[in-house]
Amino acid sequence: GAGVSQSPSNKVTEKGKDVELRCDPISGHTALYWYRQRLGQGLEFLIYFQGNSAPDKSGLPSDRFSAERTGESVSTLTIQRTQQEDSAVYLCASSPRGTSGPDTQYFGPGTRLTVL
Amino acid sequence: DQQVKQNSPSLSVQEGRISILNCDYTNSMFDYFLWYKKYPAEGPTFLISISSIKDKNEDGRFTVFLNKSAKHLSLHIVPSQPGDSAVYFCAASSGTYKYIFGTGTRLKVLA
Repeated sequence: GAGVSQSPSNKVTEKGKDVELRCDPISGHTALYWYRQRLGQGLEFLIYFQGNSAPDKSGLPSDRFSAERTGESVSTLTIQRTQQEDSAVYLCASSPRGTSGPDTQYFGPGTRLTVL
Repeated sequence: DQQVKQNSPSLSVQEGRISILNCDYTNSMFDYFLWYKKYPAEGPTFLISISSIKDKNEDGRFTVFLNKSAKHLSLHIVPSQPGDSAVYFCAASSGTYKYIFGTGTRLKVLA
């Protein structure tokens, strides 16, 4: 079956512009995560959606970052007024979240964002 | 403050030998650990996990060992194959959906 897909795969933008990144999770997966990976660093949690519950936004680094998810489908991560430090690979993951404990996350290929 | 550390950024191993990737953590509340493998231009893929109630979990060529007293886990790959060349991330959770990831170790298996 289809895995997690993300678009665009690469995005180059100028400092100060807004960007929107898209994630299509695996069908039926109720949980969706966004992570950021800066060069030479680990995956940094940004935001978590689970069904219709309020998202956990505790990882968003500033109010320039926001994310939405419609039901249990597509999610978009928006970065306003981009800065050079926003340059990173942005990864999306989904999981079935059928258990009460931690479960396996399935990652998309990521969007490489470069802010000039 | 890095709660999950992979102190070796890279590792080279001859094909057929054992690869040992290490991971240290500081938070004693972590009770579930995973290893992910990542190829270039792809997202991480789940490899193997271990719960804190165990000290070993094996899946084919991959074995994860957990030493809770030392707050240390390791991934053993035996025998190593060229297709194992990738970046390996360990991740830890304290029983919730939130994972803390290490910075990764790049494994190169030499033919």
